[in-house]
This record gives sequence, C-alpha cells and structure tokens, in this order.
Amino acid sequence: NAGVTQTPKFQVLKTGQSMTLQCAQDMNHEYMSWYRQDPGMGLRLIHYSVGAGITDQGEVPNGYNVSRSTTEDFPLRLLSAAPSQTSVYFCASTPTGGDNYGYTFGSGTRLTVV
Amino acid sequence: LAKTTQPISMDSYEGQEVNITCSHNNIATNDYITWYQQFPSQGPRFIIQGYKTKVTNEVASLFIPADRKSSTLSLPRVSLSDTAVYYCLVGAQAAGNKLTFGGGTRVLVKP
Repeated sequence: NAGVTQTPKFQVLKTGQSMTLQCAQDMNHEYMSWYRQDPGMGLRLIHYSVGAGITDQGEVPNGYNVSRSTTEDFPLRLLSAAPSQTSVYFCASTPTGGDNYGYTFGSGTRLTVV
Repeated sequence: LAKTTQPISMDSYEGQEVNITCSHNNIATNDYITWYQQFPSQGPRFIIQGYKTKVTNEVASLFIPADRKSSTLSLPRVSLSDTAVYYCLVGAQAAGNKLTFGGGTRVLVKP
C-alpha cells in the first residue's frame, strides 16, 4: 500500500515549457486534489476532483489543467510554465464523506521555473 | 468557507503540553474541524478531526466548545520531533475537496 505517489520529486523548467505532474493513489479514494505551497506559506488549492470524469477549479487554477480518467490517477498539467509557478506541489486524496477522514498527501514535487 | 485564525508561532519544551487555539467565528452547521501537521519538505499529515465536544486519539486531543467558534488542539508531552507547522481547517465533509489551508502555527519544541 503506497498511499499517494507523486512524480517527479524535483523538476526544473524553462519559461514557456509545458509538463505534467503525476499523481497516483492506490486507496480507492474518490476525492483528489492538487495544492501548491510557496515558501513560508500555507497550501492553496489548484484543482480538485470528486470522482473519475469530474473535476473543478480551486483557488488558483490559472495556468493549470487537470483530468481524471481513472479513480487512481489525477495528473496536473502546466500549459506554459512561468516563474510565478515555482512552488512545491502536493497531491492529496480522501475517501468520500464519513467521519474522521482526512486527506492523505503525497511527498510533493518541487518545481523551479527559470 | 469559514476563515480560520491561529497564532503564527509557539515555543515549547520537551515534555510539556502544547495547546494551539484556532478561531473560526463563521463556522457553518455542517462544517468539521480538522488539524494537520507538516514537517519541512513533506506533505501535511492528518492529525485529528471533530465536530463538537472532545475528540481524542493516540496523537492528540481536540476540544471544541458548544458554540464551535473556536477549537483547541492539545499535544501531550511534546518531543523534539513534534516541531512542525500545524494547520487548522474548517469545512464540510461533503465538500472535503474545498478545504482551505491558512498560514498555520509553527511550533518549535526546545530541549
């Protein structure tokens, strides 16, 4: 049981390049989310999904796309990287509803855009 | 979404109890209160969640007064490894995907 797996762990991009951050979970969780965390700051929600085929925007969606074709995978695409997107990106998942269910987070992807 | 306010930082010593209070004056009827812990270079880790009164698990206790406008996370007998940032979140279970993280409380445990 690996939990939430994010790849890559580190990435350097040039301005204007595109890339996909991968996120996979093996817990059969319905809810998945992407957050970004800038230095010394809390996490901000980028996009989220309540199940396969369903996605929606969070607090800071501009410049990012997501899709959810399976329950397990929730990739985040950067369309045209900008220095302002330099951040640590966390993927998280949680079961649908219930008591005392928290999010399980991945270990993060540290992205630098130069 | 209910906004939360918590202290920016707190210092403590090994073996002491640490209490972090979070204010959430606009909490809605169906909102739960959830606390996460985050170590440097790691993703947040779920600690505890509650709706009202008191919840206790092997890691912490969560105290919620009757009006639910605040909550207190209690960490008993902290050790150096409890040095981390602690986040208080408020949101509905059904909308768990829209939880919002504030700035958190940076707890430093000293020897």
